[in-house]
Amino acid sequence: DAKTTQPTSMDCAEGRAANLPCNHSTISGNEYVYWYRQIHSQGPQYIIHGLKNNETNEMASLIITEDRKSSTLILPHATLRDTAVYYCIVRGGNQFYFGTGTSLTVIP
Amino acid sequence: GAVVSQHPSWVICKSGTSVKIECRSLDFQATTMFWYRQFPKQSLMLMATSNEGSKATYEQGVEKDKFLINHASLTLSTLTVTSAHPEDSSFYICSAPDYPQETQYFGPGTRLLVL
Repeated sequence: DAKTTQPTSMDCAEGRAANLPCNHSTISGNEYVYWYRQIHSQGPQYIIHGLKNNETNEMASLIITEDRKSSTLILPHATLRDTAVYYCIVRGGNQFYFGTGTSLTVIP
Repeated sequence: GAVVSQHPSWVICKSGTSVKIECRSLDFQATTMFWYRQFPKQSLMLMATSNEGSKATYEQGVEKDKFLINHASLTLSTLTVTSAHPEDSSFYICSAPDYPQETQYFGPGTRLLVL
């Protein structure tokens, strides 16, 4: 079962930073936080993952709170192509269990 | 990142027929692959774990005799929907982890429509 809670939907103005929150209050010490996004009718696309430290790559930044009970995915300059459903996943073992995700709409 | 392909991308079949969907890891080997199903406006639901050289493990509530999984090589897993019915119409997606990073990479999905 999914161990995460995310807002159902969010809007973001084009060019602004999009901050997508995720709660994972029952996360265990060795469980990673992964973020994926799914554009309509496509397979999920990997964005970023982390354990304890904040992470950054060419797509996004991941901020994990010190107690690891929540995290935030940051898209620094949202574009219209970033409109998608964003999934926050806590990986325990090999399986990924998807929650309901956040539907992000980037507005021109 | 690693690439996972699926074939076919979409299929339409008559009720009662069987449909096979292929999932391939193109530039890496995968001893484990995963199959998901997604209904419209819903999230992905994990159906089963495909294990190379051994039996698949199914999530609770998924009929193993209806959704046959074969993982014959380190780059190929197949899902066969047997005696498909309209309620099996869905978007089927596979994934494979790229060890040692263990990031899962997803295929583009296969849309099945059973008439």
